[in-house]
Amino acid sequence: DIQMTQSPSSLSASIGDGVTITCRASQNIATYVNWYQQRPGKAPKLLIYSASTLQSGVPSRFSGSGSGTDFTLTISSLQPEDFATYYCQQSYSTPMYTFGQGTKLEIK
Amino acid sequence: EVLLVESGGGLVHPGGSLRLSCEASGFDFTWYWMSWVRQAPGKGLEWVATIRQDGSEQYYVDSVRGRFTISSDDAKNSLYLQMNSLTVEDTAIYYCASLRFEAFAVWGQGTLVTVSS
Repeated sequence: DIQMTQSPSSLSASIGDGVTITCRASQNIATYVNWYQQRPGKAPKLLIYSASTLQSGVPSRFSGSGSGTDFTLTISSLQPEDFATYYCQQSYSTPMYTFGQGTKLEIK
Repeated sequence: EVLLVESGGGLVHPGGSLRLSCEASGFDFTWYWMSWVRQAPGKGLEWVATIRQDGSEQYYVDSVRGRFTISSDDAKNSLYLQMNSLTVEDTAIYYCASLRFEAFAVWGQGTLVTVSS
């Protein structure tokens, strides 16, 4: 099974800051990585698919990069609505999937 | 508007059964593979099961294989998850989601399943 490990598990930042979240796969998965945002009490929302393609309607301050085993989600200038939990997910082993454990982004 | 609405959650005793439903609207249900994803209280996301558009293939996470069955009814634009032999470890919010570009692009609001004696 492919394991996805996110770091850090939690992160504190201020409005306007830029932040980066990392996801590492246990094997080479090319660019088969997606990123989700989940606000408290809400369903997850797809932000980025195929490692770097922005989902329609997602602000351009979100970006993704990486290939192989190492991937990053970057938020360039934090807005109040960005404080949430973020998950990576691999689709290399489709149609069976695994998620990272999540990164909680909190206001400093 | 593209919408997925889950129902059928509730409280069930260990060893019991429950059937979740997910009704789709605003898109052609038959075009997309569909999945169930769950989230235990205070925990992360876990993929549970996926079904091919035509229902001919189903896939499960190891922990539910043999106990859960995913199915769909195109005429009703609906996805189902039959859950048998439930354990406390199955307690979670269950989300249905449609797959596009190999990602969970559309999500329902979730339905809570609590397994407790």
